[in-house]
Amino acid sequence: AQSVTQLGSHVSVSEGALVLLRCNYSSSVPPYLFWYVQYPNQGLQLLLKYTSAATLVKGINGFEAEFKKSETSFHLTKPSAHMSDAAEYFCAVSYSSASKIIFGSGTRLSIRP
Amino acid sequence: KAGVTQTPRYLIKTRGQQVTLSCSPISGHRSVSWYQQTPGQGLQFLFEYFSETQRNKGNFPGRFSGRQFSNSRSEMNVSTLELGDSALYLCASSLGGRGSSSTGELFFGEGSRLTVL
Repeated sequence: AQSVTQLGSHVSVSEGALVLLRCNYSSSVPPYLFWYVQYPNQGLQLLLKYTSAATLVKGINGFEAEFKKSETSFHLTKPSAHMSDAAEYFCAVSYSSASKIIFGSGTRLSIRP
Repeated sequence: KAGVTQTPRYLIKTRGQQVTLSCSPISGHRSVSWYQQTPGQGLQFLFEYFSETQRNKGNFPGRFSGRQFSNSRSEMNVSTLELGDSALYLCASSLGGRGSSSTGELFFGEGSRLTVL
């Protein structure tokens, strides 16, 4: 069964520091991979997606993620954290444009002043 | 272009009652998916409708049901409410087509927060 694992339910970084949120997927076939962000009392917003084109994907708000097939990973990074980045981040996977999208358990990102 | 609209945003019910939630997708989107979000279980997939047909289904009891209309609007219903049904119910729409032209990315509404007393 398809699944996605996010390591670390809570990550705290200082403002200006590197943000690294980890995501690993289980699959033997090329997946579609997504990162979503959820701000309090809101729905989820797409940050970026991997769809078998370039392995390094750039998204909104300065975030990017790299698809590494050998490691079955799709970690999210941002070089310099901003206070407005505080939110919950979800990694998600699907295996076709018509299959359901499965979400990881989420990582809450806190930013220290 | 208007986003995904969910109504109502907040509602309170008591155990044993039923509830119907509504979702209007982005214009042109033919797929609507429903998710339940709780602090303990995270985001759980309920079901997906495409062109008025249920295309994918999660592992929820039969008390949870849905439907999609010809204009792609969708409703989900929960009957005989239990305390554990308290959650944020999120609707998401997508183009829904198959093939390389569609990557299946979802566009979410702000959710309907259900509290069961």
